[in-house]
Amino acid sequence: DIVMTQSPDSLAVSLGERATINCKSSQSVLSSSNKHNYLAWYQHKPGQPPKLLIYWASTRESGVPDRFSGSGSGTDFTLTISSLQAEDVAVYYCQQYYSIPYTFGKGTKLEIK
Amino acid sequence: QVQLEESGGGVVQPGESLRLSCAVSGFTFSDYAMHWVRQAPGKGLEWVAAISYDGRNTYYADSVKGRFTISRDNSRDTLYLQMSSLTREDTALYYCARDVTVGVTTRGYFDCWGQGTLVTVSS
Repeated sequence: DIVMTQSPDSLAVSLGERATINCKSSQSVLSSSNKHNYLAWYQHKPGQPPKLLIYWASTRESGVPDRFSGSGSGTDFTLTISSLQAEDVAVYYCQQYYSIPYTFGKGTKLEIK
Repeated sequence: QVQLEESGGGVVQPGESLRLSCAVSGFTFSDYAMHWVRQAPGKGLEWVAAISYDGRNTYYADSVKGRFTISRDNSRDTLYLQMSSLTREDTALYYCARDVTVGVTTRGYFDCWGQGTLVTVSS
């Protein structure tokens, strides 16, 4: 199984500042055939279902604000929120879909400083 | 709009069985692979099972293999999860989720989710 390791576990950022969340996979999730990274990011707020933010490591889901961006390749990935808004308080998960079983990171709790 | 509504959760004793349902609307259910994902109290997300759009292929996490069965009724636009030999470790909020891509066995990430149904295994 591919193990997804997120860091930090929690993060406090001031409004308007940049937030960066890291995700590392135990093996590469980059496909040699199509050059895609099989990596997604989700936002999960209390009392709501998770929301897809990013897929293929860097493609923003429709309707997701452009302050959210994903980067990285192979085994190392980053979710960046360029200017934190109050509504971004949530837990963020990375997930690999390169192989079954699909696996998530343990989550990063993002709060306002 | 797209809606997924889980039901069937509840409190059961260890060793008992339970069947979850997920009724969908707002899209052509038979075009999409579907998944169950769970979240234990205070824990992160765990993928549980997947089923292809036509029901021919199913996949399971090792933690539930042999105990849980995912199925679907495309005529009723409903996804199921039959759970047996439940243990306390199965206590969680169970979400059904739609796979993103039409007509493939499973792409493996999820663009629509239900609100979840809570399963509590306790004596």
